[in-house]
Amino acid sequence: SQQGEEDPQALSIQEGENATMNCSYKTSINNLQWYRQNSGRGLVHLILIRSNEREKHSGRLRVTLDTSKKSSSLLITASRAADTASYFCATAPSNTNAGKSTFGDGTTLTVKP
Amino acid sequence: NAGVMQNPRHLVRRRGQEARLRCSPVKGHSHVYWYRQLPEEGLKFMVYLQKENIIDESGMPKERFSAEFPKEGPSILRIQQVVRGDSAAYFCASSPVRRRSGEGFDGQETQYFGPGTRLLVL
Repeated sequence: SQQGEEDPQALSIQEGENATMNCSYKTSINNLQWYRQNSGRGLVHLILIRSNEREKHSGRLRVTLDTSKKSSSLLITASRAADTASYFCATAPSNTNAGKSTFGDGTTLTVKP
Repeated sequence: NAGVMQNPRHLVRRRGQEARLRCSPVKGHSHVYWYRQLPEEGLKFMVYLQKENIIDESGMPKERFSAEFPKEGPSILRIQQVVRGDSAAYFCASSPVRRRSGEGFDGQETQYFGPGTRLLVL
């Protein structure tokens, strides 16, 4: 599997429910970022979690990072129809000064009203 | 306080023509990244530039593709002799100067993405 791989590939829930998406990666990282992309649009940065952090919150978003398992999760609580989008995690390996990010193929979230 | 701007938003080219995609980073940002996204896929890194320098072009195809970020003006991604397989969305992102912390750089900075250019090759 590739670096920054999200699962599930697709998730469909009812408004008000929580949505959990996972991201796994292979190499050591400095930090991991989650982005949202609405259909046909650019990416919107949601949250950055550093390798020495375990959990971070931003509004209805909660991100966890487990460096021992090389995985992260994004939890969206009390989902809304407007949360319908694709969600990507992005990682940059820690053994380089390069700035490139490696993205997974994303989780497509559908929130039904 | 404009974000990253890309133009054109949509570009149609015939096979063999040249495509020029422009990216103006957030004001004050000196790092630019280009990514390509095929339908139903994530973004694939192409190239990372600072002003007048290519830092990492490991994701760029060896032929037909080039990128620049001149001292003045936007960053340009140029695709020569386009083929149908070049059809994709091309996203540009920018980030501020990377901070040095501890023994080295603090990894990637938050990248701010533009709306993308959707290239269609007929």
